[in-house]
Amino acid sequence: AQKITQTQPGMFVQEKEAVTLDCTYDTSDPSYGLFWYKQPSSGEMIFLIYQGSYDQQNATEGRYSLNFQKARKSANLVISASQLGDSAMYFCAMREGQAGTALIFGKGTTLSVSS
Amino acid sequence: EAQVTQNPRYLITVTGKKLTVTCSQNMNHEYMSWYRQDPGLGLRQIYYSMNVEVTDKGDVPEGYKVSRKEKRNFPLILESPSPNQTSLYFCASSLQATYNSPLHFGNGTRLTVT
Repeated sequence: AQKITQTQPGMFVQEKEAVTLDCTYDTSDPSYGLFWYKQPSSGEMIFLIYQGSYDQQNATEGRYSLNFQKARKSANLVISASQLGDSAMYFCAMREGQAGTALIFGKGTTLSVSS
Repeated sequence: EAQVTQNPRYLITVTGKKLTVTCSQNMNHEYMSWYRQDPGLGLRQIYYSMNVEVTDKGDVPEGYKVSRKEKRNFPLILESPSPNQTSLYFCASSLQATYNSPLHFGNGTRLTVT
């Protein structure tokens, strides 16, 4: 079974609008972290935001926020006031437990921002 | 500047010619890992290291070797590269090997094996 599911292969948004990228996850471990990464066309993988399973509040980092709904097992990324430079592939990822587990990635969502 | 540095950025080689991709981090991170990214297959872990002299296999270790002699360095070795190892490779590190420790990635190495 997929541990991380991103159902939107591609999303389109106008500059200055907000956009939500969906992510659902599956785990039975009570300790887990959820991460979002941005991969521009140049190829590097940029860490954006983190949410821990025990965190009571949704994480925010500048224009990025994470809409964490634990009961629904969803961790959607919200980008406010989109910019042209936000055009990229976005990956949701999860890390479980205390003992060196891998970061498990979803298949990604391509975001295109137009002017 | 805190970073993970991989070299080279691009590499074209021939089947069977041994190569090493270097990875170094300056953040005193305990955990380091190698991933490969392929279209349709996503990102898959090759090897990881919990600390100096401690390495273990990830999901796709065949054809690769690693070593962790110093905390900052974690080179990836392809002893006899084959065309199916053509891929985008990432080195990554995190402060700890726990769920709440974000992985920070290098800029990637695009490897082509002909």
